[in-house]
Amino acid sequence: NAGVTQTPKFRVLKTGQSMTLLCAQDMNHEYMYWYRQDPGMGLRLIHYSVGEGTTAKGEVPDGYNVSRLKKQNFLLGLESAAPSQTSVYFCASSLRRGAIQETQYFGPGTRLLVL
Amino acid sequence: AQRVTQPEKLLSVFKGAPVELKCNYSYSGSPELFWYVQYSRQRLQLLLRHISRESIKGFTADLNKGETSFHLKKPFAQEEDSAMYYCALLKPGSARQLTFGSGTQLTVLP
Repeated sequence: NAGVTQTPKFRVLKTGQSMTLLCAQDMNHEYMYWYRQDPGMGLRLIHYSVGEGTTAKGEVPDGYNVSRLKKQNFLLGLESAAPSQTSVYFCASSLRRGAIQETQYFGPGTRLLVL
Repeated sequence: AQRVTQPEKLLSVFKGAPVELKCNYSYSGSPELFWYVQYSRQRLQLLLRHISRESIKGFTADLNKGETSFHLKKPFAQEEDSAMYYCALLKPGSARQLTFGSGTQLTVLP
């Protein structure tokens, strides 16, 4: 049971390049989330998903797109990277509301540097 | 909109001293609050939640609705408590979104 995994761990991009971050969970969780973590700002929600095939915008969605084609995977895409997207990205997953063990489980993070 | 404030970015205490990490929130309904911790080179993990009224690793947190606070306390800090601590508020609704504070970096000195 690996929990929540993220690929890649670290990436350097040039302005304008695109990339996809992959999040995978093996806990059969319904909900998945993408956050970015910036110094002095805590974690801010980018996008989230309440189930396979569904996604929704969080607090800071601009410049990002997501897809949840399979229940265990949640992809975060940057179509045209900007230096302002330099950050550490965390994925999380959780059971549905009301579950006894409900909490968000986090991945190890992806460090992204946009030059 | 809900908001979580952690006024201290950095907090240092000596081993064995009491520690209190402050968290204030703004929310019009009945809040559901959590403390998450991130140790060096580890992923973010849940420390405790207010509905459980539990003590984890010696830490406790009491929800004070009058002062809209959820401060994290430990009577005797240990060096292994050094970490980044985040207070978080759960947004009601089907998506169970969390709103995080900006975090407090706790350093316990020997």
